[in-house]
Amino acid sequence: GAVVSQHPSRVICKSGTSVKIECRSLDFQATTMFWYRQFPKQSLMLMATSNEGSKATYEQGVEKDKFLINHASLTLSTLTVTSAHPEDSSFYICSASGGAGETNTEAFFGQGTRLTVV
Amino acid sequence: GDSVTQMEGPVTLSEEAFLTINCTYTATGYPSLFWYVQYPGEGLQLLLKATKADDKGSNKGFEATYRKETTSFHLEKGSVQVSDSAVYFCALENTGFQKLVFGTGTRLLVSP
Repeated sequence: GAVVSQHPSRVICKSGTSVKIECRSLDFQATTMFWYRQFPKQSLMLMATSNEGSKATYEQGVEKDKFLINHASLTLSTLTVTSAHPEDSSFYICSASGGAGETNTEAFFGQGTRLTVV
Repeated sequence: GDSVTQMEGPVTLSEEAFLTINCTYTATGYPSLFWYVQYPGEGLQLLLKATKADDKGSNKGFEATYRKETTSFHLEKGSVQVSDSAVYFCALENTGFQKLVFGTGTRLLVSP
């Protein structure tokens, strides 16, 4: 299957600082990327959907000014957690789909990023 | 809204035991159903899927049948291996744009 690379896999930051997480599709063009958040012992919750070249669509309850999403190219989307606080500590995971063939009918996931805000 | 419910874990089995992980869903229309697996330190991988009622998805010895009458998509494997130890997520997609709704995940631990 297609490969999605997410970086970093783990990050620790101080409260009040911003953190950027990258999601790259390595061997296909991702017209759509999704960002999910997973709380301990809970399911992955969709935060937002981003389409290349347009503004992201955020799910209800997700603060768009806090979780900035940029999808400037067909292979890269970024999630920036601004002014991070301990309650933002979580597991963030991206998925990508698009193009032709299997990449158009399946979402491919990155390995996730464990964010810890201290 | 759409939702997925799967059994809480962890599920602990001995090697070669039979596995069932239950999954039920609530959705309007006719969603596609998926099982994803997450091995330690890795991202989610699609294990199998079914796109319409009575379809059976299968891969690597795992099977699941789309049962519309019971709104279920239970995952089964006849003989598990230690290498099957992972977290398994049931999910549905109902928009046509790969926007997935996940269950909480079930951790499977297989001992030799």
